[in-house]
Amino acid sequence: NFLLTQPHSVSESPGKTITISCTRSSGSIASNYVQWYQQRPGSAPTTVIYEDNQRPSGVPDRFSGSIDSSSNSASLTISGLRTEDEADYYCQSYDTTNLYVFGTGTKVTVL
Amino acid sequence: EVQLVESGGGLVKPGESLRISCAASGFTFSTYAMNWVRQAPGKGLEWVSSISHSSSYIYYADSVKGRFIISRDDAKNSLFLQMNSLRAEDTAVYYCARGDYYGSGMGHWGQGTLITVSS
Repeated sequence: NFLLTQPHSVSESPGKTITISCTRSSGSIASNYVQWYQQRPGSAPTTVIYEDNQRPSGVPDRFSGSIDSSSNSASLTISGLRTEDEADYYCQSYDTTNLYVFGTGTKVTVL
Repeated sequence: EVQLVESGGGLVKPGESLRISCAASGFTFSTYAMNWVRQAPGKGLEWVSSISHSSSYIYYADSVKGRFIISRDDAKNSLFLQMNSLRAEDTAVYYCARGDYYGSGMGHWGQGTLITVSS
C-alpha cells in the first residue's frame, strides 16, 4: 500500500500558472499511471489528465501532467489560470492490493 | 454520450442495510469494469469496490470488506452495491464510475447518491 500526498491548497491570480504535486509514499511513481480529476463544488469528479500526461477530449491544453522519478511525484500544471478552474483536484494511481489510491486533494483558488 | 445515474440513497440507521444502483447508458456496459467511489462530507475521494467485466474479479477496500457486496446485471446495464451493517462512517456520496485507461483509472462518473447513516 502507498499514499499519495498533495498540498492542501494552492491560490493564484487569473492568467498565472500553478503546479500541483502528488507525492507517492512508497514504490515508484512510474510503476503505475497517474490520473488527475477535477471536482467543482457540488459536482462529480471529471478526468483532466489520464495515463500521466494524456488529456481527454474537451480538456483544454492549459492542463498538462507529468511525473518525476527523482522526487517520486506526479504534477498537474494549469497555465493561463481561469476562474472556472477553481475546484478540488485529486491525483489517483493504481495499487495491486488497494486497487485505486486517491491523493489527499488540493483546493485551487483563483484570486 | 456516456451516462451513469445512481439511485437508492437515503437515510438509514446504524446496522441497517441499503442497496444502491447505477444505471448505465451510452456505451457497451458489459465490456467495462465498474467501480464505486465514495466521498464523506467535506472529505476526499475513497475507492470502495470494483467489479470486472463478466464479474470475474471483485475487489473491496478494507473499510467495507465483509459488509458490502458489488454486483452487476449486464442485461439491464446496471451496477449495484449492497451495503450491510452500515456505520456512521459510511455516510458519504457514493459515485458510480466506469473503469477506463486499461484499468488504471476512471473515465466517467455519475452524479452520486447520498447515503446518511444516523440514528
